[in-house]
Amino acid sequence: AQTVTQSQPEMSVQEAETVTLSCTYDTSESDYYLFWYKQPPSRQMILVIRQEAYKQQNATENRFSVNFQKAAKSFSLKISDSQLGDAAMYFCAYRSTNAGGTSYGKLTFGQGTILTVHP
Amino acid sequence: GAVVSQHPSWVICKSGTSVKIECRSLDFQATTMFWYRQFPKQSLMLMATSNEGSKATYEQGVEKDKFLINHASLTLSTLTVTSAHPEDSSFYICSANKGQGYEQYFGPGTRLTVT
Repeated sequence: AQTVTQSQPEMSVQEAETVTLSCTYDTSESDYYLFWYKQPPSRQMILVIRQEAYKQQNATENRFSVNFQKAAKSFSLKISDSQLGDAAMYFCAYRSTNAGGTSYGKLTFGQGTILTVHP
Repeated sequence: GAVVSQHPSWVICKSGTSVKIECRSLDFQATTMFWYRQFPKQSLMLMATSNEGSKATYEQGVEKDKFLINHASLTLSTLTVTSAHPEDSSFYICSANKGQGYEQYFGPGTRLTVT
């Protein structure tokens, strides 16, 4: 079974600064998806960024980028130019691409990191 | 885009009663839906996977007879909490896959309070 670990329960950053959230995972699969989700106080889950394991290039979405280290099974999220609206709980998640497996389509979430942005 | 709705957004019920939560995909057909439970400041815990026209697959430790899931159509899945108790109070979130795509679309969640 896959596991996802976020070792930072809480992080804080000053507005306009950069912050990195850590995530490690464990899997025996070679192909999979990794995601970062944001859950603001409204509790609506919002997809921030995704990474396909077969792609070596790190994904980027505007101010959000990842550092994907497949061999190390590490998947960190960097938020640049932090804004007050970035304050939320962030979840790292894993999804298998194995269509024939019982885990197909399921997301395995990390414990979450609460990000506070100071003005 | 793809929108998933949940109803109700907040429900209060008395201990021993049952409550039903609906999850709908509004603009796409969802062959697979997922139900999660989340406690405050904690992660999402997958309860079950719901496939249209077949029985739900429950995660280990989730009581099938207590959390009844019905995926009656390609746009509707329901979660019924039977004989609810205060410990069932939680935030319940559903999500849906759109075809074979990688993304899961999440509903806004339902807050259940059992008194």
